[in-house]
Amino acid sequence: DAGVIQSPRHEVTEMGQEVTLRCKPISGHDYLFWYRQTMMRGLELLIYFNNNVPIDDSGMPEDRFSAKMPNASFSTLKIQPSEPRDSAVYFCASSKKYEQYFGPGTRLTVT
Amino acid sequence: TQLLEQSPQFLSIQEGENLTVYCNSSSVFSSLQWYRQEPGEGPVLLVTVVTGGEVKKLKRLTFQFGDARKDSSLHITAAQPGDTGLYLCAGALYNFNKFYFGSGTKLNVKP
Repeated sequence: DAGVIQSPRHEVTEMGQEVTLRCKPISGHDYLFWYRQTMMRGLELLIYFNNNVPIDDSGMPEDRFSAKMPNASFSTLKIQPSEPRDSAVYFCASSKKYEQYFGPGTRLTVT
Repeated sequence: TQLLEQSPQFLSIQEGENLTVYCNSSSVFSSLQWYRQEPGEGPVLLVTVVTGGEVKKLKRLTFQFGDARKDSSLHITAAQPGDTGLYLCAGALYNFNKFYFGSGTKLNVKP
């Protein structure tokens, strides 16, 4: 199995631009999670889906952040407009039960 | 304020030494996980513990879940340079799928 796939691996953008991060979960996993990792705040859960339905988005910091899961094999996290404080590593993870498998992450830098 | 406090934050030891990392909270968890994360990669699950007092061993790593399910420890015997990384604990309160991560312990094992 290829594991969780994320793209892009690195993204550098200017403040105010729209950013879209992509994730392909492991086939057969019915839970998908988006996390953000920074030195200051550690690893934070932003939102998670079960069977493509958002279950808990209480970690989404602001309305500028949105996430979708149109089908079982694809999810996006969008930031519009982006701000410098959004700079972080964003991870996607998937699970079948409670054992989460993380992707390699997307390092986002907003200048 | 983090729901899970990890200590120490940093640990630098010589190959062959033993070490213990702690994960503490005032909350009761339904399950607790330990992950290891290497630079540029996502966290990798090491173990899940669900029963108070449970002890699990993974080669030279021993994981313990406190009797009251509020704390956990990770003990490494005869550390090796390959053990170097960021160790994260994560606890689920009621929902077995929503995990809160600790701030992490950065371990460096010198040859």
